[in-house]
Amino acid sequence: ETGVTQSPTHLIKTRGQQVTLRCSSQSGHNTVSWYQQALGQGPQFIFQYYREEENGRGNFPPRFSGLQFPNYSSELNVNALELDDSALYLCASSASTGGAYNEQFFGPGTRLTVL
Amino acid sequence: DQQVKQNSPSLSVQEGRISILNCDYTNSMFDYFLWYKKYPAEGPTFLISISSIKDKNEDGRFTVFLNKSAKHLSLHIVPSQPGDSAVYFCAAPNPSNNNDMRFGAGTRLTVKP
Repeated sequence: ETGVTQSPTHLIKTRGQQVTLRCSSQSGHNTVSWYQQALGQGPQFIFQYYREEENGRGNFPPRFSGLQFPNYSSELNVNALELDDSALYLCASSASTGGAYNEQFFGPGTRLTVL
Repeated sequence: DQQVKQNSPSLSVQEGRISILNCDYTNSMFDYFLWYKKYPAEGPTFLISISSIKDKNEDGRFTVFLNKSAKHLSLHIVPSQPGDSAVYFCAAPNPSNNNDMRFGAGTRLTVKP
């Protein structure tokens, strides 16, 4: 059974650019959640995708958007990057949309640096 | 405001002793709490949880205690082992949007041999 994988591992962008981060969910999981973890803070919920539809969103602006594909893998897109977007981006997959009450399995994250 | 607070950024204990990690929350509507453990370069992994209808849940060396009146929970690790050295996050689903998991800032535990 393959766990949650994310790519790339690290990424450096400049302010104003756009970035796409990718996540492959664990086998059998149809729900993917994305989190932003700034330095010294805990993860913050960005949004969740269930069966290719956004299914709940945290307090993030519309320039944070996502997609989920038929194989349940997912992308996080961030437009017009700002310095404060520098963070570790984590995705987590789960077997259904029982929300955060369902056990979530996290990937290792993508470290984004915005210069 | 994440509404979940871990006020101790770090904790160091000797191998074999007890580790106690603390967590406070401000939202009295939280009804389920989780602890996650995170090693460097890995994602957080689920460790143990507790429902608000309980005040204690135990799983091997790990016990979580919940004090609802104080809005406080703690994770006890007995005995502590060097492999327990990691960052520990306290978390709770947001009752207003239960897909939204609220995390504390984490406590880095170091267990010295």
